[in-house]
Amino acid sequence: QSALTQPASVSGSPGQSITISCTGTSSDVGGYNYVSWYQQHPGKAPKLMMYDVSNRPSGLSDRFSGSKSGNTASLTISGLRAEDEADYYCSSYTSSSTLVFGGGTKVTVL
Amino acid sequence: EVQLVESGGGLVQPGGSLRLSCAASGFTLSYYAMSWVRQAPGKGLEWVSTISASGSSTYNADSVKGRFTISRDNSKNTLYLQMNSPRAEDTAVYYCAKGRTSLIAAAIDYWGQGTLVTVSS
Repeated sequence: QSALTQPASVSGSPGQSITISCTGTSSDVGGYNYVSWYQQHPGKAPKLMMYDVSNRPSGLSDRFSGSKSGNTASLTISGLRAEDEADYYCSSYTSSSTLVFGGGTKVTVL
Repeated sequence: EVQLVESGGGLVQPGGSLRLSCAASGFTLSYYAMSWVRQAPGKGLEWVSTISASGSSTYNADSVKGRFTISRDNSKNTLYLQMNSPRAEDTAVYYCAKGRTSLIAAAIDYWGQGTLVTVSS
């Protein structure tokens, strides 16, 4: 049950686009379309941002988009805003019928 | 409005026991898979356990297998996590989490506010 691999930090200026990667294996990210993304602000509970690779929860801004290629999933934030500054985690279902999270990526808005 | 309210956290000695509860409201608990996810101080999210909608199947992280037990009482709209023989490395905020669907693979769409468990003598 090794954690998925995410970059420790990603930064961008307001209005720019950034992409966070999430790399796993064929036993998790590559094997299933059950990849999800969560946003967590300091001291708060996580919030679902993307499910089943590329589906946005109702009411979520279309500035957020998700994709997957092979064993790597990605979350793209376009039109970066100050309120997007937070920690982001990916998660995937695995062939062992478990869930696994990535180590998290700190997004900084410059 | 979906609400998940955890309780039962606190200080527990290594080798002791503790039971966390999660009161669910605003949805029909029996329709959804439920999970516990934890976060050690200053660290990332770690999946702990998932239970199927009916409660007939449970899944656990290797790090807690044989020590923690997830269960549910759909008639009481409550999810539980029985923590036996906790270790210092189990110290974390424990989140109760609702699956989007009955599938255990489903993403988590709602999270509780979390309850802090500190394992220390």
